Amino acid sequence: EDQVTQSPEALRLQEGESSSLNCSYTVSGLRGLFWYRQDPGKGPEFLFTLYSAGEEKEKERLKATLTKKESFLHITAPKPEDSATYLCAVQGPQGAQKLVFGQGTRLTINP
Amino acid sequence: ETGVTQSPTHLIKTRGQQVTLRCSSQSGHNTVSWYQQALGQGPQFIFQYYREEENGRGNFPPRFSGLQFPNYSSELNVNALELDDSALYLCASSSLARMNTEAFFGQGTRLTVV
Repeated sequence: EDQVTQSPEALRLQEGESSSLNCSYTVSGLRGLFWYRQDPGKGPEFLFTLYSAGEEKEKERLKATLTKKESFLHITAPKPEDSATYLCAVQGPQGAQKLVFGQGTRLTINP
Repeated sequence: ETGVTQSPTHLIKTRGQQVTLRCSSQSGHNTVSWYQQALGQGPQFIFQYYREEENGRGNFPPRFSGLQFPNYSSELNVNALELDDSALYLCASSSLARMNTEAFFGQGTRLTVV
């Protein structure tokens, strides 16, 4: 069964203090690994898709990387508006485009 | 902001009642998936609809059912509501025409069962 574990569960940083969020996964045949951002009471907002080990993608202060067992979301010089829950999800080889999510990392950036 | 819209945004129901949630998919997308998100947890896959038929289901009982219409919009129906059904229900649209494709989520419907 596909599994996703995210760590840490919660992270508090000072504005400008860079860090990384981890997503460890187990899936038989990865079709894609997805990162989403979710603000309280709202739906997840798509950030990145990674398809193969070694792939990297960047968007503003965020950079996502992928290995065969885990993905990292690096946040460089974060700002208070980066505060949100970050969700990682994997898609396996099954026909339906089912996403298996981790429980998320709740990130708080203090000014 | 995505083109996926859900209604209503909030709903309060009594245990044992039935509820219908609605979703309009993003233009160009032919697939709709539904997820349940309990407080503090990641979304859990309920089922997916493609070409008006169920195309995969998660570990949810039969009282969770759905429909997809010719315009690709979708409904999620839950019968015999239980207190544990209280959650944020998310709809995601995507396209099965492409092998790897992102799913875009609506803002969700917050269901409270009392």
